[in-house]
Order: sequence, then structure tokens, then C-alpha cells
Amino acid sequence: DIVMTQAPLSVSVTPGESASISCRSSKSLLHSNGITYVYWYLQKPGKSPQLLIYRMSNLASGVPDRFSGSGSETDFTLKISRVEAEDVGIYYCGQLLENPYTFGAGTKLELK
Amino acid sequence: QVQLQQSGAELAKPGSSVKISCKASGYTFTSYYISWIKQTTGQGLEYIGYINTGSGGTNYNEKFKGKATLTVDKSSSTAFMQLSSLTPDDSAVYYCALTGFWGPGTMVTVSS
Repeated sequence: DIVMTQAPLSVSVTPGESASISCRSSKSLLHSNGITYVYWYLQKPGKSPQLLIYRMSNLASGVPDRFSGSGSETDFTLKISRVEAEDVGIYYCGQLLENPYTFGAGTKLELK
Repeated sequence: QVQLQQSGAELAKPGSSVKISCKASGYTFTSYYISWIKQTTGQGLEYIGYINTGSGGTNYNEKFKGKATLTVDKSSSTAFMQLSSLTPDDSAVYYCALTGFWGPGTMVTVSS
């Protein structure tokens, strides 16, 4: 199975500042079709995960453009600019390249 | 808008089975596969598998073969997951999901 490794496990951010979360895959997530199948989700307290970024760098519908995704074949970054109170929760990366799809352990974002 | 309505929490005895439902609305049911994901505090997010809502074809994570059975009822736009031979390790929140949208989750507790 593809292992997804996130860092850090938790991050504390001052509102208005930016935050970055890293995710590394044990195998390239670049498909021969040119698409990189890494996804980012946010699970707010008491809620189900919601999609933020799909296919490495595409913003999901309704997601503020303060969120952005980037990366290479195995190293990926989620950046949140101007962190707001509503951004608190656990962020997960996931790979949807091959079965079984797998997820990172999560990064908990808190406000200072 | 897209909605995935899941059945309520289950309390089950070890060795028994439960069947969770996921009723979809707001889109053409057979246009998208439905996935199932298990979430526990210890293991995080684990992908169980998906069902082709048009053909009924399934694809399972090897880990969940024999444990989970995915089915669909196109007439009611509902997907189902049956979990069999339950043990305390099956206690978790189970989500049905489209790629971009997750249901609210169903909590399953296995206890004697």
C-alpha cells in the first residue's frame, strides 16, 4: 500500500498568518495521464472530512482561495494564507491513485 | 445540492452483523461510484472500497475482504455496507463518500 506521511502532526498559528502542511508519499502519485492524484481534506471538529484540494493543486468548489496545493510526484504541500478561526481542524492528505486509497495520519491546526 | 444521508448509530454484539445505509440525492445516482471509509482514533482513515453504482461492481481493500460487503439499490439511490463477524476492532465511524463529498458518518460500537 502507498504510505502517506504528513508533517507536522500539529501546528499552532496566529490568525492572519500563514501555515503550511507537508505530505510525502511512498510512491509517485503521478499517473501516466499527467494527473497527480493527491487530495487534501479538512475535518472540522465533530464533522466529516470536506474536500479542499483535488489532483494536487485544484481548489474544490466553495473553498476559499486562501487554500492552495502544490508539489511534485511524491512531495506535496498545502498552504493556508491568512488563517482564520474557521480553518481549525485536522487536515489530511490522501492518494487516490491506486487501491487501496490511503490517507496521512492528519495534521491538527490550532490557533494561538 | 448533493446529499448523502447515512443511517443512525449502531450498537452490536461481537459476532453479529450490521448493515449501514447511505441514501444519495441531488445528483444522478449512477454517475458516481460510492466509497466507504472507516475512521478510528487509533488507525485514522482507512479505505474500505467502492461500488460502481451503475453496475454494482465492487473493489475492496484487501484488508476488508470478508469483513465488508458493498451493495446498491438503484431504485432508492441507496448504497449499503454490511459488516460481518463483528469484533471490538470494528468499532468506528463509517463514512460513505463521493470523491468530493462525504456523508455525516455512522458510528458503530461493538460491545457485549
